[in-house]
Amino acid sequence: EDKVVQSPLSLVVHEGDTVTLNCSYEVTNFRSLLWYKQEKKAPTFLFMLTSSGIEKKSGRLSSILDKKELFSILNITATQTGDSAIYLCAVVPSRGSTLGRLYFGRGTQLTVWP
Amino acid sequence: ETGVTQSPTHLIKTRGQQVTLRCSSQSGHNTVSWYQQALGQGPQFIFQYYREEENGRGNFPPRFSGLQFPNYSSELNVNALELDDSALYLCASSLLGAPDTEAFFGQGTRLTVV
Repeated sequence: EDKVVQSPLSLVVHEGDTVTLNCSYEVTNFRSLLWYKQEKKAPTFLFMLTSSGIEKKSGRLSSILDKKELFSILNITATQTGDSAIYLCAVVPSRGSTLGRLYFGRGTQLTVWP
Repeated sequence: ETGVTQSPTHLIKTRGQQVTLRCSSQSGHNTVSWYQQALGQGPQFIFQYYREEENGRGNFPPRFSGLQFPNYSSELNVNALELDDSALYLCASSLLGAPDTEAFFGQGTRLTVV
């Protein structure tokens, strides 16, 4: 059964801290891995990763994928209170299976205190 | 903010009733997927519609049904509502056949069944 596991499920830090969120997966015919930020309702897209070892960066956020060990990490440096949200990891199977279906983990609830 | 809109934003229904949720996809997107997100969980795939036909289904009973219209908008219908159907229902639009691309989510409909 296809599975995506995120850890930790919850994390509380202070502004300025650096955090690392983890996502491991077991998906048949892996195609890509997506990270989303969910503040209230709509998950908003952060990164798409398809190749191992290539870091994606956007400001203080960065992410990398390891297709051999089947995991990804999302790093946030110099955290701010606005980073407080649920961070979701989702995996997309390859074409030939249900196209476009995302397998989500449970998410990591990040709380950043001032 | 994405171009995906959902209505209504909130809804309260009684057990046994039926509900219809609506989603307008982002301009240029031809595929709509529906997800159910229970409290504390990641979104779970319900089904996907492409060219007005169901194009994959998750582990949901037949009382969850849908439609896609020629303008690519979509409806999710749930019959015989149960208390466990209380959740955030998310609609995501994407472009099938395009190179790897992210799915864009709407703001969701919060359904409460009492």
